[in-house]
Amino acid sequence: EVQLLESGGGLVQPGGSLRLSCAASGFTFSNHDMSWVRQAPGKGLEWVSGISYSGETIYYADSVKGRFTLSRDNSKSTLYLQMNSLRAEDTAIYYCTKSQFTSGWFDYWGQGTLVTVSS
Amino acid sequence: QYVLTQPPSASGTPGQRVTISCSGSSSNIGSNYVYWYQQLPGTAPKLVIYRNNQRPSGVPDRFSGSKSGTSASLAISGLRSEDEADYYCAAWDDSLTGVFGTGTKVTVL
Repeated sequence: EVQLLESGGGLVQPGGSLRLSCAASGFTFSNHDMSWVRQAPGKGLEWVSGISYSGETIYYADSVKGRFTLSRDNSKSTLYLQMNSLRAEDTAIYYCTKSQFTSGWFDYWGQGTLVTVSS
Repeated sequence: QYVLTQPPSASGTPGQRVTISCSGSSSNIGSNYVYWYQQLPGTAPKLVIYRNNQRPSGVPDRFSGSKSGTSASLAISGLRSEDEADYYCAAWDDSLTGVFGTGTKVTVL
């Protein structure tokens, strides 16, 4: 059974940093692309970033480019999202997804972790 | 930012057919596959249609998808109370970003 378990969310002040982690199990992590999708309270879904299975190719939404860094450790089956210079508009539930790179195909989702940016 | 446009709401009585539209452009829907997600209240989204019109295993055949040009549609036939949810379309954009639709709330009357 595919499981994606996010952690690292919480309350942070504007301008602060957080690192989200996503521990994957139930599939061969190193063979699959991964992505993060977020959802602001009461709003729709927004693609944040995606990474190829090898980690060699990474894409970011314009809204986070230069502030967020996506990475993966295939030896630990873990995906990371380093978030710097956080803004109020980054407040959202962040979902880790198993995905097909460069597509809108997110076939498995974690339960999400809430990031709140507020003073 | 939302690049794909959906109607904010749709509704029907049990047993009816409901259709949700998703409008994009030549750089996303026009040149890439479309995917559809169902989000029940308080839960993570779930894939219900992939590659325009394919259903993952376990998704009822009441759900169907289609695409024409720069638009796509999700149809739910034989509407049931458990279909009441938010639905989102998604695609890849040639600007190297993923894009989602604005979302449609389906209400079963």
